[in-house]
Amino acid sequence: EQLVESGGGLVQRGESLTLSCSASGVTFSGHWMHWVRQVPGKGLEWVSRINSIATYTSYMDSVRGRFTISRDNAKNTLYLQMNSLRDEDTAVYHCVRERDLKFDSWGQGTQVTVSS
Amino acid sequence: SSVLIQPPSVSVAPGQTATIACGGNNSGSRSVHWYRLRPGQAPVLAVHDQSARPSGSPERLSVSHSGNTATLTISRVEAGDEADYYCQVWDESSDHPVFGGGTKLTVL
Repeated sequence: EQLVESGGGLVQRGESLTLSCSASGVTFSGHWMHWVRQVPGKGLEWVSRINSIATYTSYMDSVRGRFTISRDNAKNTLYLQMNSLRDEDTAVYHCVRERDLKFDSWGQGTQVTVSS
Repeated sequence: SSVLIQPPSVSVAPGQTATIACGGNNSGSRSVHWYRLRPGQAPVLAVHDQSARPSGSPERLSVSHSGNTATLTISRVEAGDEADYYCQVWDESSDHPVFGGGTKLTVL
């Protein structure tokens, strides 16, 4: 059972990146899914969430309007489209499954580094 | 919105007891969840809903509550307990999760 993120990398400030998270052996559909990032020196920071049928999304203030979360339940895949990347978006991004307002399954994360 | 305060670091010798506090507005009364992060590994849910442990989480982990503070206690600390620990609550006013700043547990 695992969530596996991909798509991270080194980008220039202002560029875009799309992260993917593939669920293998982890029940994906029927659950809210989130992106949580681990910022160097700052710890864990919630980024975004999406409901099980992709009709509702929400974002932290600093990424709203720049990031878009989406999912494809047929492919058991979660996405995070990140535009206009800033230095402060540098972090390890984790795909996380929510159950009853807590996070019971995490991916290992994918590194995003924004360079000026 | 909620703010959760944790000590940046805790150090303890093997076999001793480690305590990690998580204090903040009402963190002592709402459901508090704890996660363990080891370098290079996926974070794991260690204790949830005040004091429940997922399968695989050792019985040496327990949580107590007093006022606005939840405290994770790790008894008979082992080298393998060395990790970063984060508490988390759900902030109802903003309708999103909030994490504490994290505590690095060092086993001496």
